[in-house]
Amino acid sequence: AQSVTQLDSHVSVSEGTPVLLRCNYSSSYSPSLFWYVQHPNKGLQLLLKYTSAATLVKGINGFEAEFKKSETSFHLTKPSAHMSDAAEYFCVVSEKGGSQGNLIFGKGTKLSVKP
Amino acid sequence: ETGVTQSPTHLIKTRGQQVTLRCSSQSGHNTVSWYQQALGQGPQFIFQYYREEENGRGNFPPRFSGLQFPNYSSELNVNALELDDSALYLCASSAGLAFRNEQFFGPGTRLTVL
Repeated sequence: AQSVTQLDSHVSVSEGTPVLLRCNYSSSYSPSLFWYVQHPNKGLQLLLKYTSAATLVKGINGFEAEFKKSETSFHLTKPSAHMSDAAEYFCVVSEKGGSQGNLIFGKGTKLSVKP
Repeated sequence: ETGVTQSPTHLIKTRGQQVTLRCSSQSGHNTVSWYQQALGQGPQFIFQYYREEENGRGNFPPRFSGLQFPNYSSELNVNALELDDSALYLCASSAGLAFRNEQFFGPGTRLTVL
């Protein structure tokens, strides 16, 4: 069975400082991995995805993530936080097989950005 | 291009009642997935519909059922509502089965069960 663990439920950074949101996964297959962002009262938006191509994945709004198979990690980073980055972030693994690709979400990390 | 839309936005029901939630998929998408997001949790997969057939189901009881129509819009039906069914229900559409295809999410329906 596949699973995702987001290591921090809440991360607080100052505007202009780096962001690191940590995610570990467990998978029996070659996984597809995603990061989604959820702003209050808005739908989930895809930030980036890994599907067995380049291990360093660049996404929207300056975010990127590195797939490390040896560490079973897929941490999300951004060099410089902006106030508009404050939101809930979900690390997601896609389950191949019987459920034909449904998404398995972590519990989320709430990112706060201080002025 | 119209995105994924859901209706209603909010809903209040009492225990034991039945509810129907609706989702219009993004143009050109033939796959719809439904998720339940309890407060403070990540979304949990309920089921997926591909070309009008259920194609994968999560760990939800049979009182959660769905439909997909020829225009690929979808309904989620929940019978015999329980207090724990209170959650945000998210619909996502994709162009094909969701393993490698990006899913586009609607804003959700907030269901409160009293």
